[in-house]
Order: sequence, then structure tokens, then C-alpha cells
Amino acid sequence: QQQVKQSPQSLIVQKGGIPIINCAYENTAFDYFPWYQQFPGKGPALLIAIRPDVSEKKEGRFTISFNKSAKQFSLHIMDSQPGDSATYFCAAKSGNTPLVFGKGTRLSVIA
Amino acid sequence: GAVVSQHPSWVICKSGTSVKIECRSLDFQATTMFWYRQFPKQSLMLMATSNEGSKATYEQGVEKDKFLINHASLTLSTLTVTSAHPEDSSFYICSARDSGRGPWGTQYFGPGTRLTVL
Repeated sequence: QQQVKQSPQSLIVQKGGIPIINCAYENTAFDYFPWYQQFPGKGPALLIAIRPDVSEKKEGRFTISFNKSAKQFSLHIMDSQPGDSATYFCAAKSGNTPLVFGKGTRLSVIA
Repeated sequence: GAVVSQHPSWVICKSGTSVKIECRSLDFQATTMFWYRQFPKQSLMLMATSNEGSKATYEQGVEKDKFLINHASLTLSTLTVTSAHPEDSSFYICSARDSGRGPWGTQYFGPGTRLTVL
């Protein structure tokens, strides 16, 4: 059973557009929701993370929106650039448990 | 800060040999480290959780005798793939949790090791 469902699987946007990636979870014990960015052949890099006591967090061009009642969270990338083309993973964990990852979204930003 | 290194970055070995991969947290202490495996265009699959000074906890379906994990210090964990076979070829990624932040510590990932077994 997949604990974190991520969509879409792939996404193509034009430069300057705002790609949105969504994740949904079932485990109400999850209390930490990070997003990671991964380039081919590299390890994932932490982009931004949120805890369920806030509904939105912004860091630079990246924003997480969190809806606790719907058990959903999403990543928005403002003013997307070709350099943002990568695979994005949402994840979640509860307390001391290891991160559980979504299946990933391959984002292509075309000029 | 929060850098995790892995060595080697890639390795090619013959079937039947063993390969050791090192994971180090360079600027923080990590009581807990994690080992993941990633197949092309797929997500990260957790293999095991290692805690410094104790035995690793393996996920269901992961052979502990094949994937030996040692977490000998607060900054070093090793994964040894024993008697490697072509089906073990994959991208192995370690992750370290910053102990300074307790169980809420962020997981930082290494750059990965590409293993190819001929």
C-alpha cells in the first residue's frame, strides 16, 4: 500500500509558468512533509519542508501548501526556469520513522 | 552545512564479489542513517535503517545477509553488498539524520553510488 500518492507522474511547463505537484497521504500520524529535488545521477536534495501546524510555507520560489483536513500537500514553483527541470519527490514521516516517498514527478521546463 | 558524502560514486564489479559503500556525514553527527535503493525512473526504496552502535533494521524483503550494514560511528555507515549479482545493479543512496535535532532532524542525502555488476 502506497502511503504517499504523488501526481502527476510528469509535467511540462513553459519558462515562467507555475508547475504544481500534489501529494496525498492517509496516515494521520505523519507530522513532517518535505519535498526533495533530484537531478539525474545525483542524490535527492531537500527543497522545503512543512509541519502540519501551518498551511503554507514559502522559501524563495518554492511554496508548500498544506491541507490537513484533506490530507494533501502540494509544491508550487514560481517563475519556473529550465534549471528547475528535475524529478521532485514528496515525502512524509511520523516522529522517528524514516521518510516515506511518493513516486516522483518528472518536471520539464521548456524555454 | 549538512553535507553527506558517499564513496565510491560508481563501481563496477564482477559477479560473486563483494562491494563496500561508505556514507559519511561531514559536518554533523548522525545517530541514524538510512540506506535506499533506486531503480531508473523510480522512487527511492528504503532498504534499512542503521543506528550507531546497534544492529540495522531491514525492510521486508531485504536480505540482511546480503546487504551488510555497519554504523560504527556517529559519522560513518557502510553498506556491503556481498556476493553481488547483476540483479543487484542499482543506484544506492544513503541518508543521514541530524542527531542535533532529535527525531525531528532533517534527513540529508548523499550523492549516491552507481553499482554495476557484470
